[in-house]
Amino acid sequence: QVHLQESGPGLVKPSETLSLTCSVSGRSVSSGNYYWSWIRQSAEKGLEWIGRVYTTGSTQYNPSLESRVFMSVDTSNNQFSLKLTSVTATDTAVYYCASGQYSGSWDFDNWGQGTLVTVSS
Amino acid sequence: DIQMTQSPSSVSASVGDRITITCRASQAVSGYLTWYQHKPGKAPKLLIYSTSILQDGVPARFSGSGSGTDFTLTITNLQPDDFGTYFCQQATSIPFTFGPGTRVDIK
Repeated sequence: QVHLQESGPGLVKPSETLSLTCSVSGRSVSSGNYYWSWIRQSAEKGLEWIGRVYTTGSTQYNPSLESRVFMSVDTSNNQFSLKLTSVTATDTAVYYCASGQYSGSWDFDNWGQGTLVTVSS
Repeated sequence: DIQMTQSPSSVSASVGDRITITCRASQAVSGYLTWYQHKPGKAPKLLIYSTSILQDGVPARFSGSGSGTDFTLTITNLQPDDFGTYFCQQATSIPFTFGPGTRVDIK
């Protein structure tokens, strides 16, 4: 059974960097079969795909966030991470990590429960 | 970006009822339309991908159909465990986008 769990600070100050980690069990982040994504949900924007990273380190980001996002994988700890720089109040959201396996369709077959990140001084 | 809309925004139905949720994309998504179920405090669950293919373990009372820009999720014989929010996702082009969700309440 695949399990994903987000972790990181629940409160970030404006202009600082939001950093989250997703710990994975039941699936290897080293496998080239999967992609590893971050998705967030806010009342204003609903669900928003942030981007994805592959085990190779290759990334694809949402163009609306691309200038502030960095994702990476940590194969030794079976984790992947998200960094979002220069945050503002509009980055307040529940952040989900998710994974998927391409089958002609880029969907997400496993998600974490989500973690609320609030941007406030 | 492909914009996704859903209707209705909420529905209240009784156990045993049949409900239909509609998802519309602002442009054709080549059949790559995915449905999820989300319950408060839980991880979202993939139900159907590629319009109509049930994810392993998903009950057959869930079904999906559609093409082009218009898609539907149908739940027949609604069960108490089916409460939650259902949202669609276009799974064909970056940035992947999601519908706003349909909340399903059991009367």
